Amino acid sequence: GEDVEQSLFLSVREGDSSVINCTYTDSSSTYLYWYKQEPGAGLQLLTYIFSNMDMKQDQRLTVLLNKKDKHLSLRIADTQTGDSAIYFCAESYYGQNFVFGPGTRLSVLP
Amino acid sequence: DSGVTQTPKHLITATGQRVTLRCSPRSGDLSVYWYQQSLDQGLQFLIQYYNGEERAKGNILERFSAQQFPDLHSELNLSSLELGDSALYFCASSPRTTEAFFGQGTRLTVV
Repeated sequence: GEDVEQSLFLSVREGDSSVINCTYTDSSSTYLYWYKQEPGAGLQLLTYIFSNMDMKQDQRLTVLLNKKDKHLSLRIADTQTGDSAIYFCAESYYGQNFVFGPGTRLSVLP
Repeated sequence: DSGVTQTPKHLITATGQRVTLRCSPRSGDLSVYWYQQSLDQGLQFLIQYYNGEERAKGNILERFSAQQFPDLHSELNLSSLELGDSALYFCASSPRTTEAFFGQGTRLTVV
């Protein structure tokens, strides 16, 4: 079945760049997503990328997709304390059955 | 605010009971998804509805059922509750076949 893997923890210093990595197994995935979850809150969609793209940039966020290796990354430039949260990678086939990774807990140190 | 509304926000109930969680999707979104988030299982897909019809089914227990009504709101019914059903239950809605927007969740505690 489909599987999405992420490292569980990442710590960075305020002002540095953060890179969160994700691997997935389903080669038929059409969309790949990054969601952010703050304590006690729901999942906030940050960005998503279509599987035929290799990069998408949105302000401080850069998504890189290596379809051959089934590897997705999220780079957050100039990381701030407000970026501390859990980041989930997810994949879907045309919006069916989103499969989520376990989440990466990002801690931003002052 | 994602535009997806879930009620109630918190629910405490006893084992063996039955509860109903409600979700109002974003205006115009035809797809509704239900997810369960627990510490040990992560975020698990339960079920998806599209315009009133069941579209996809995940790891949903037989004790759980859902439906989507003509006005597109959805309800998740959980019965014969067990301690292990304590979790955050999220609803998400989608306008088409791409992104999904999540509600704030219902925290269910079974005692």
